Order: sequence, then structure tokens, then C-alpha cells
Amino acid sequence: SAVISQKPSRDICQRGTSLTIQCQVDSQVTMMFWYRQQPGQSLTLIATANQGSEATYESGFVIDKFPISRPNLTFSTLTVSNMSPEDSSIYLCSVAVPQGWVGYTFGSGTRLTVV
Amino acid sequence: QKEVEQDPGPLSVPEGAIVSLNCTYSNSAFQYFMWYRQYSRKGPELLMYTYSSGNKEDGRFTAQVDKSSKYISLFIRDSQPSDSATYLCAMSATLSGGSYIPTFGRGTSLIVHP
Repeated sequence: SAVISQKPSRDICQRGTSLTIQCQVDSQVTMMFWYRQQPGQSLTLIATANQGSEATYESGFVIDKFPISRPNLTFSTLTVSNMSPEDSSIYLCSVAVPQGWVGYTFGSGTRLTVV
Repeated sequence: QKEVEQDPGPLSVPEGAIVSLNCTYSNSAFQYFMWYRQYSRKGPELLMYTYSSGNKEDGRFTAQVDKSSKYISLFIRDSQPSDSATYLCAMSATLSGGSYIPTFGRGTSLIVHP
């Protein structure tokens, strides 16, 4: 398995602003995954971040709202743009190591509150 | 109907009890079945996974899959206060694009009191 460092661990932000979440993995991975976990809801995949290509977004999520960077095989960022209170959630990054493994390793998450 | 249904609880049991956690699903293409444990303010961690139908045991934990009923279970024997966490079931179909993309249940909050 891998070790994932995610930061910030939590933040309180004003509506209309943006927050960038960072995810660092201790091994090289082709794909990194960004999830949202809303209270009482299931983990929802936002997008898959591939190194060297555009991220692939799931239905209901768009690049303008959740731009993703993937500059190398161990790092990715997710930005939550033009935030509203509805964006208050836990955001998690995840990897499957080795690639093709069914089990995912998750970061500790970023707890975002938008006021 | 959601693809994966899981009762959110909370489920409160005394220490030493046998705990049964369950999920139902609708997608017959699911082949891989996972259970994750998530402690407060932490990310989920993979607890067990099973391929297709059958049972799998790991210490105090037993995962059971009944594909004919589209029903999976996680049993915890001799439950401990340290087992208090949210348990999420997850399922995925075949490999696609180099990864198995799981579909998660909402998670069941378990409280084991001394």
C-alpha cells in the first residue's frame, strides 16, 4: 500500500473564494482519485487525475469548478473554486497501489466549511 | 434506487457482542466486494476484500458475499471499543482503464460501548 499526505486537514473559507488541496503520495502512481464525502452520503468520485493528461471528471463535476493539476507521478492538487456553502464537505484523495489493485488507499481528508 | 444501499445506523452494541453489518446492491456486474473502516477525522482504510461469492475470514472479521441475493455482510466477533468507527462497503466490476472504480455505500456508524 501507499502513504498519502493530504493538506490542509481542515479549513473554513468565505463563499466566493477558492481553496487548493494538496495530495502527496510516497510512491509513483499513474492515477490519483479525488473524492467528496458529504455528511450522511456515500463517497463520490469527483475525478481521476492522470499524469500528463487532462483529468477525467465524473457526471455532475466540471473542470471550471474543480480544476485539478497533476504535475508528476507523486503529487496532485484539487481546487474548489468560487465556493458556496453547498461545497462544505470532506475531500479525499486516493490511489490504488499497485496499479490495478481493487483496494484504495485514502488520505486523511480535508474538512472544508464554507461560510 | 441507489446502486449500493447501506443503513447508516448508528448501531450501538456492548463490548463482546457479535456485530453484523450489511449492504445490498443492484448491479449484477459487481465482482469485487470491499469493506473499509473509517475512524473519525481519518480517511477510509481497506479492511477486507472478497472476489465473487463466498466467505473470507481475517481474525475477528468475516466477510460474506451472496451474489444470488445481491447481499454482502461483515461480521465482527468479540467486538471491542476500538472497533467503533464507520464501516463502508464498496463494490466494483471489472478492470476499466487500468483501475477498478468502486461504488461506495453510505457507511454504517458502529459504536461499541464498554
